[in-house]
Amino acid sequence: SQKIEQNSEALNIQEGKTATLTCNYTNYSPAYLQWYRQDPGRGPVFLLLIRENEKEKRKERLKVTFDTTLKQSLFHITASQPADSATYLCALGNNFNKFYFGSGTKLNVKP
Amino acid sequence: EPEVTQTPSHQVTQMGQEVILRCVPISNHLYFYWYRQILGQKVEFLVSFYNNEISEKSEIFDDQFSVERPDGSNFTLKIRSTKLEDSAMYFCASNVAGGDETQYFGPGTRLLVL
Repeated sequence: SQKIEQNSEALNIQEGKTATLTCNYTNYSPAYLQWYRQDPGRGPVFLLLIRENEKEKRKERLKVTFDTTLKQSLFHITASQPADSATYLCALGNNFNKFYFGSGTKLNVKP
Repeated sequence: EPEVTQTPSHQVTQMGQEVILRCVPISNHLYFYWYRQILGQKVEFLVSFYNNEISEKSEIFDDQFSVERPDGSNFTLKIRSTKLEDSAMYFCASNVAGGDETQYFGPGTRLLVL
């Protein structure tokens, strides 16, 4: 069965630095990969989507890369701010509206 | 800005009872989803729904669960004969054009089965 791995340990960084989060997967060939932000007790909030034929996507301070050979996506937040502190989830999707989420990585940005 | 709404925000029920969780997706959206998240665990896909029928479902979505779009605005998840392990946050989501587009999640219903 498919497996999605995100760093289970929290990532602690200083304000202004770039945060890099990793999503690795096995036993699956997704059509696309999504990144979400989740705050405690809240629903996930969509951030970015990248398709299997795309290498990189950017949106403001966010950048996502997707390497289907390595089966890995990297999610970068540049010029991080304390308000970026949250849990970040990756989700893999197919063309049939079925999704698999990773467990998420908690990001702490310290002022 | 349009948003997905869910009711109730919290539900407490006794084991063995039936619960119905309600969602109002964004009005022009065509695809609807239910997810659950057990406390401290990952978000788990339950089911996707399009054109008044189930599009995909996970292994979790067995005969205990059912979904319905009873009218033009509501999307419901029914859980029959609830078990302790059904305690979780249940999220509804919707989008316009299917899985490869932005999914908008609701705030969730926290279900506690005693």
